[in-house]
Amino acid sequence: GESVGLHLPTLSVQEGDNSIINCAYSNSASDYFIWYKQESGKGPQFIIDIRSNMDKRQGQRVTVLLNKTVKHLSLQIAATQPGDSAVYFCAENRGANQAGTALIFGKGTTLSVSS
Amino acid sequence: NAGVTQTPKFQVLKTGQSMTLQCAQDMNHEYMSWYRQDPGMGLRLIHYSVGAGITDQGEVPNGYNVSRSTTEDFPLRLLSAAPSQTSVYFCASSRTSGRTYEQYFGPGTRLTVT
Repeated sequence: GESVGLHLPTLSVQEGDNSIINCAYSNSASDYFIWYKQESGKGPQFIIDIRSNMDKRQGQRVTVLLNKTVKHLSLQIAATQPGDSAVYFCAENRGANQAGTALIFGKGTTLSVSS
Repeated sequence: NAGVTQTPKFQVLKTGQSMTLQCAQDMNHEYMSWYRQDPGMGLRLIHYSVGAGITDQGEVPNGYNVSRSTTEDFPLRLLSAAPSQTSVYFCASSRTSGRTYEQYFGPGTRLTVT
């Protein structure tokens, strides 16, 4: 079955709002997580990553939070813009030896930003 | 750098035909992988490679073969195409050392099997 999934398939927000996209994972041995953004007709694009020894990591307008107790991952986008409209995927590392190999993806959340 | 390139962009096959999807990267990445993406779904890992001469199976390997004779190239072969293999196929590459293991994705190959 699906081991990495998102709570909501779609999320609609107004421009300027903060967006929160959630993801649950089931493999407690996963030690590396990535968020990707996929625009229509394109391949996924890296947004931010986090290792399991961290709870929080910030990038430009984005923050990833990791709660290992409940196996939950979230992506926060500040001041959401129309250009943020896309499908967002979380992915967990399943590689036996090296982080980043054998990434397993969730089904994705479609973020729609209206101006 | 061209990054990750995939050919062809579109392909239509008849059931039972075979073909090879090409993937190349010019970033000297050790790790390469193939995913398929079905409508409304996330990406599912087909096969991956951590270096030339080394390949391993992912979540959905049946019906596909790979080989990695060079660092740059990682072709995916469909042995006998089936309608269930209609999908968009993405190739990706990344380093296997350092702090981040960002995977760079190609633009995808849209395959239809009739």
